Amino acid sequence: GAVVSQHPSWVICKSGTSVKIECRSLDFQATTMFWYRQFPKQSLMLMATSNEGSKATYEQGVEKDKFLINHASLTLSTLTVTSAHPEDSSFYICSAPRSSYNEQFFGPGTRLTVL
Amino acid sequence: AQTVTQSQPEMSVQEAETVTLSCTYDTSESDYYLFWYKQPPSRQMILVIRQEAYKQQNATENRFSVNFQKAAKSFSLKISDSQLGDAAMYFCAFDTGTASKLTFGTGTRLQVTL
Repeated sequence: GAVVSQHPSWVICKSGTSVKIECRSLDFQATTMFWYRQFPKQSLMLMATSNEGSKATYEQGVEKDKFLINHASLTLSTLTVTSAHPEDSSFYICSAPRSSYNEQFFGPGTRLTVL
Repeated sequence: AQTVTQSQPEMSVQEAETVTLSCTYDTSESDYYLFWYKQPPSRQMILVIRQEAYKQQNATENRFSVNFQKAAKSFSLKISDSQLGDAAMYFCAFDTGTASKLTFGTGTRLQVTL
């Protein structure tokens, strides 16, 4: 099956700093990728849709200026959490659809802890 | 907007027994896809089984099968011959198109006991 990677797998940062998370599709091209956030013992909530060559589409209630998304190429999307605060601490997961498989492939996730 | 409801926060099953996890959904779409994902402690999302709404036949993948009732908007997962490795969070999910954004249910934590 297709493989999606995320980097870093975990990160600890100080409040007020910015953190970048990368999502890569390793063996296929993805014009669209999705970013989810999962708080402890909760479900995955879609944050935004990352579109190669155009602006990301954000879900209601997600601050686009705080969660910057850049789909730099057909295999890479980045999520930057700007001016991170402790309430941004969460598990961030990306996914990339592969139409030939008619399914989405998930990255292993990134655990962000903001002190 | 679509909603997905999982009414069982936790379930327990003995090894080798059968368990059914419930999922209901609400949509005005006529064509869509339903999924069950497994999230083990590693938190890697793993696709368990998929059902296309236009197919009347229930999907089956080895020990995993679904009971898809389109009129009732119900999509339950049956795990047969449960194994210790089946212990995980299970999420029901809905997709309106070919690999578009997913709407997840709240999840069911499955425990497998000896």
